[in-house]
Amino acid sequence: KNEVEQSPQNLTAQEGEFITINCSYSVGISALHWLQQHPGGGIVSLFMLSSGKKKHGRLIATINIQEKHSSLHITASHPRDSAVYICAALLGGSNYKLTFGKGTLLTVNP
Amino acid sequence: NAGVTQTPKFRVLKTGQSMTLLCAQDMNHEYMYWYRQDPGMGLRLIHYSVGEGTTAKGEVPDGYNVSRLKKQNFLLGLESAAPSQTSVYFCASSYMIGTGAFFGQGTRLTVV
Repeated sequence: KNEVEQSPQNLTAQEGEFITINCSYSVGISALHWLQQHPGGGIVSLFMLSSGKKKHGRLIATINIQEKHSSLHITASHPRDSAVYICAALLGGSNYKLTFGKGTLLTVNP
Repeated sequence: NAGVTQTPKFRVLKTGQSMTLLCAQDMNHEYMYWYRQDPGMGLRLIHYSVGEGTTAKGEVPDGYNVSRLKKQNFLLGLESAAPSQTSVYFCASSYMIGTGAFFGQGTRLTVV
């Protein structure tokens, strides 16, 4: 069982909808990353957080340390948001090794 | 533009051939990483480096070697390529542990 689980695996939305992608992990973490990967493209870091909430434009990331859960929200979704979203955590006492979820494929239709 | 650059972007190898993937970063980052990405699996760490002249094994190091002779470069070598090494390889760097990571554009390697 992967130590970092994402849901859903695939998500299809209509333009303008509010999107939520979830990430749960099994042990304590020191930090969690949300990454974006466009088809055939590189990986871009969206957020790194260890507590609370961060916002950048239409993207919001939250984390609940007690519940071992993080969410990535996209408000007013747009077709250009179509990508794979990946969460990655620095688990336990690791100070170098990111453990990655398998990713969520988001498709936003116009 | 500052960032992480990987070369080459695509490569096809025959089984048994060798090759080296180059990762270069111009952000003066201490930490550099090599990952592989396979369908249905999350990225997996092959090797990493915490500074010039240092390297360490990740979770899937077999069949790969690395070197970090200069702080800005991290090389990944395949001495005798196997079809199981067909994958997309990503390099990443970070300033220090727990800070944001910067990824390269990836290298798509096919071993036939």
